[in-house]
Amino acid sequence: DIQMTQSPSFLSASVGDRVTINCKASQNINKYLDWYQQKHGEAPKLLIYNTNNLQTGIPSRFSGSGSGTDYTLTISSLQPEDVATYFCLQHSSRWTFGGGTKLELK
Amino acid sequence: QVTLKESGPGMLQPSKTLSLTCSFSGFSLSTSGMVVSWIRQPSGKSLEWLAAIDWDGDKYYNPSLKSRLTVSKDTSNTQVFLKITSVDIADTATYYCARTVVTDYFDYWGQGVMVTVSS
Repeated sequence: DIQMTQSPSFLSASVGDRVTINCKASQNINKYLDWYQQKHGEAPKLLIYNTNNLQTGIPSRFSGSGSGTDYTLTISSLQPEDVATYFCLQHSSRWTFGGGTKLELK
Repeated sequence: QVTLKESGPGMLQPSKTLSLTCSFSGFSLSTSGMVVSWIRQPSGKSLEWLAAIDWDGDKYYNPSLKSRLTVSKDTSNTQVFLKITSVDIADTATYYCARTVVTDYFDYWGQGVMVTVSS
C-alpha cells in the first residue's frame, strides 16, 4: 500500500502570504497526485489533479508541482476564503489520502 | 449535472451491519470508465478510501478493511451500496460516495452521511 505523509498538519498565515503544503509518497506515484480543499461541514472539493492541473473554476492563485514521491500545493497570495483543511490524494495505486493540513489566518 | 447523495441509518449499535446507499444522477455506472467509491472521515480526522465498484462490476477494497466490506450496485446503475459488518465505535464517521473516471481522481462527491456507532 502507498502511504502519504502530508506536512505541516497545521499552518497559520496572513492574508497575502505565499503558502506551501507538502505531500510525500512512500513510493513513486508518477504524478498521480491531487489536492482537495475541505471547509467545515462540507465535502472535499477538487482543486488540482494530476499534480499541476487546475480544476475548472478554481482561482489561479492555487498551483501544484512535484514528481516522483514529493508534491507541493502552493497558494500564491492567501485570501480569507482559503481558510480550510487541505488534503492530498494519490491515485497511482488505488487511493490514499494524506493526513491533512489545517490552514488558518494569523 | 452530476450529483450523488448518501443515505444511511444515522445510528446503529456495535456488532451490527451498516448498510449505506449512494444514489446518483447525471451519469450511468454502465458507462465505460465510470467508478463509484466509498470514502469515510471520522470527525476531525483525515479521509479513508474504503471500496469502489466500476462500470464492469469489478470491485476494489481497502486491504485493511476488506474482510468487513461489501460493495455492490443496482441493475439500473444509478445506486451503489456498501455494507460494513461487525461495526464498532471506530466506524463512527461521515461516509461519502464519490465518482471517478477509470481509476482517476474523485471529481464529484456526495454531501456525506453521518453514522454513529453507539450502544
